[in-house]
Amino acid sequence: GENVEQHPSTLSVQEGDSAVIKCTYSDSASNYFPWYKQELGKRPQLIIDIRSNVGEKKDQRIAVTLNKTAKHFSLHITETQPEDSAVYFCAASKGGGFKTIFGAGTRLFVKA
Amino acid sequence: KAGVTQTPRYLIKTRGQQVTLSCSPISGHRSVSWYQQTPGQGLQFLFEYFSETQRNKGNFPGRFSGRQFSNSRSEMNVSTLELGDSALYLCASRKQGAGNEQFFGPGTRLTVL
Repeated sequence: GENVEQHPSTLSVQEGDSAVIKCTYSDSASNYFPWYKQELGKRPQLIIDIRSNVGEKKDQRIAVTLNKTAKHFSLHITETQPEDSAVYFCAASKGGGFKTIFGAGTRLFVKA
Repeated sequence: KAGVTQTPRYLIKTRGQQVTLSCSPISGHRSVSWYQQTPGQGLQFLFEYFSETQRNKGNFPGRFSGRQFSNSRSEMNVSTLELGDSALYLCASRKQGAGNEQFFGPGTRLTVL
């Protein structure tokens, strides 16, 4: 069945360092890959997304890369700040994007 | 524009009871999805509704059901509650179209005793 694996489950970095979260999806028909950030006690919010016709997308300190052949995609956060501390979820969907499968999440700690 | 709203925000039930959760999407959004969030399990897809029709369903037992009304508001029902149903239930709405962003509601925290 459809599955998205996400690693690591916990990541601790020093402020200013980079953080990388990796995901693997099983359904080769997946064509839309969003990343959500969920702060403690709050709802998930989209931070960046990428479609299968693009290999990389960047938005300020955040970038996402996609390797369709390997069915891997990754989130890169540079110059991390304490406010980046949150749980990050990757997800994959196909077709109209109406069935979105999420990874288990990565809890990121940024130490000041 | 008002965001996605969910009611109630908190709910405590006992095993064997049933519960109904409500979700009001952003105005103009016709797709509503439901997710179960538990620690360590991330967001598990329950089902998705569009124009009052269930288009996709996750791997949950038949005790979990839902519906959508003509105004796009959606309800989710869980019957014969089990302790393992304790979770945060999130709904999300989106516009029609490939890959459009999902907007999540604040969730309903269900505790089954």
